[in-house]
Amino acid sequence: ILNVEQSPQSLHVQEGDSTNFTCSFPSSNFYALHWYRWETAKSPEALFVMTLNGDEKKKGRISATLNTKEGYSYLYIKGSQPEDSATYLCAFRRYGGSQGNLIFGKGTKLSVKP
Amino acid sequence: EPEVTQTPSHQVTQMGQEVILRCVPISNHLYFYWYRQILGQKVEFLVSFYNNEISEKSEIFDDQFSVERPDGSNFTLKIRSTKLEDSAMYFCASSGWSVAGNTIYFGEGSWLTVV
Repeated sequence: ILNVEQSPQSLHVQEGDSTNFTCSFPSSNFYALHWYRWETAKSPEALFVMTLNGDEKKKGRISATLNTKEGYSYLYIKGSQPEDSATYLCAFRRYGGSQGNLIFGKGTKLSVKP
Repeated sequence: EPEVTQTPSHQVTQMGQEVILRCVPISNHLYFYWYRQILGQKVEFLVSFYNNEISEKSEIFDDQFSVERPDGSNFTLKIRSTKLEDSAMYFCASSGWSVAGNTIYFGEGSWLTVV
């Protein structure tokens, strides 16, 4: 059974803190890893799609790295702001599955206090 | 910015009733998907749809479920005879091309409560 784990489950930080969290996924049959930012009552917002080992992607204060050989990805947020409060989901796509067949982690819920 | 839209946002239905959840994917997208999230659990893949047919479905997507693209814009998920355990948030999503680095765009979800 393919499993994707995210840690920590939740995180509380102060405004201005930098933070990071982890997504672990199967290291075999890797095809792509997706990161989403999901605020309550809104649609999950695509942050990154990562495909190559060693990939680093950046969007404003958020960046992500990918290690497909050991099966993990880190998401970093620099100088957290209250508007960064959301659940961050990662989703693994295996080689041979259709594009939409994503296996999701449970998410890391980030709360940023002003 | 183009977005995936879903209706209804929330539906309460009696057990055994049929439910249709509707989605309007992003207009130039070719691949369409449904996912669900039972409260407190992970988001789970249900089905992929391309070129008017199902390209992949999960074990969850049994005979009670069906999908359809009745016209050029809508994409629907039908649950034939709802069960209590079908209560979940159902997400529609779409993407343009089937390549590794392609983004999948999600709607806001339809929350289904079966009573």
